[in-house]
Amino acid sequence: NAGVTQTPKFQVLKTGQSMTLQCAQDMNHEYMSWYRQDPGMGLRLIHYSVGAGITDQGEVPNGYNVSRSTTEDFPLRLLSAAPSQTSVYFCASSFWAANVQETQYFGPGTRLLVL
Amino acid sequence: KNEVEQSPQNLTAQEGEFITINCSYSVGISALHWLQQHPGGGIVSLFMLSSGKKKHGRLIATINIQEKHSSLHITASHPRDSAVYICAVSYGGSQGNLIFGKGTKLSVKP
Repeated sequence: NAGVTQTPKFQVLKTGQSMTLQCAQDMNHEYMSWYRQDPGMGLRLIHYSVGAGITDQGEVPNGYNVSRSTTEDFPLRLLSAAPSQTSVYFCASSFWAANVQETQYFGPGTRLLVL
Repeated sequence: KNEVEQSPQNLTAQEGEFITINCSYSVGISALHWLQQHPGGGIVSLFMLSSGKKKHGRLIATINIQEKHSSLHITASHPRDSAVYICAVSYGGSQGNLIFGKGTKLSVKP
């Protein structure tokens, strides 16, 4: 199993550009999520999904869009990049039972710099 | 709002020492996770627990539901244990999303 994969590993954008961060998992997990990690702060939830066709907002959703057309893939779209979106982005997945996340599996992260 | 507080923020230890990292939360939860983030950035799940105690190798995690407190212990610490240790809680309900602490940075000196 490859686990959770993310691409790209590093990206530089100019303000106003758009891009998609890719995330895929091969463990048949229902729950997938995107977090951002900023210095001095804990991981913060951007968007999440509990299954194909189901997505919802987390704590910091503004400026981001997601979709879940398959169980495996959960891309994160930046609609119009801003310097405040400079961060490290992690995708994670887990089994989901009775509204409880099981053990989380994280991707390697994407470092994004917005100039 | 459920807050997750970790202490200490930073911890330096000598190789072989017994280490304790603490995590407190403010409201009832359905589960608590301990994660490890390596210097390279990768995040690995260590434990998920809702009661009692779990052990894996030199790592032990405990939780006291009544006191809303969890501890992560590392016995016979080693420089390779140097990492950031993150506590996260899920309060279930309609979402079950995780709320994360800010992490404890551990450095173990040889």
